Amino acid sequence: QLQLQESGPGLVKPSETLSLTCTVSGGSINSGDYYWGWIRQPPGKGLEWIGNIYYGERTYYNPSLKRRVSISTDTSKNQFSLKLTSVTAADTAMYYCARTFSDRYQVDYWGQGTQVTVSS
Amino acid sequence: DIQMTQSPSSLSASVGDRVIITCRASQNINTYLNWYQQKPGKAPNLLIYAASSLQSGVPSRFSGSGSGTDFTLTISSLQPEDFATYYCQQTYNIPFTFGPGTKVDIK
Repeated sequence: QLQLQESGPGLVKPSETLSLTCTVSGGSINSGDYYWGWIRQPPGKGLEWIGNIYYGERTYYNPSLKRRVSISTDTSKNQFSLKLTSVTAADTAMYYCARTFSDRYQVDYWGQGTQVTVSS
Repeated sequence: DIQMTQSPSSLSASVGDRVIITCRASQNINTYLNWYQQKPGKAPNLLIYAASSLQSGVPSRFSGSGSGTDFTLTISSLQPEDFATYYCQQTYNIPFTFGPGTKVDIK
């Protein structure tokens, strides 16, 4: 059974960089059928797609975050990571890592989520 | 960006009721439409993909329909475990965008 697990600091200071890692077990992130990415949800609000990475190279980002976001993979550890620079309070959210199937880009597996708060 | 709207934003229903949630896209998205269920404190769960395909393991009381700009999610007979928030998502264009959600609670 595929499992995704987010890890990283739960508190980040304004203007600093948010860094999260997703560890995948039960399957390889090298599969050509899937994209790997991040989705976030501010407290009490809806879902926002952040971006995906495919085959460890091709990246797709939400234009609203594009200047600040990067997603990368470490295939040796079967992990992928999110970096979001220059964070503000508006970046406070539950961050989910996710697997997207290349059929209709549906998210078929989610991590449990990790809460990140931006505050001094 | 493609804007997604959902109606209603919330509804109250009883066990056994038929529930219909609608989702509208601001432009034609063919059938690049997915539905998710989210319970409090949990990650969303995929119910329907490609507008009408039932994800493996999802009960058959869930169904989806539509194409172009108008879509529906139907729960044929609401069960206690179905009380949750439901989101549609378009994956026709980047950025993939979600609807604002429909909260289904107990009448």
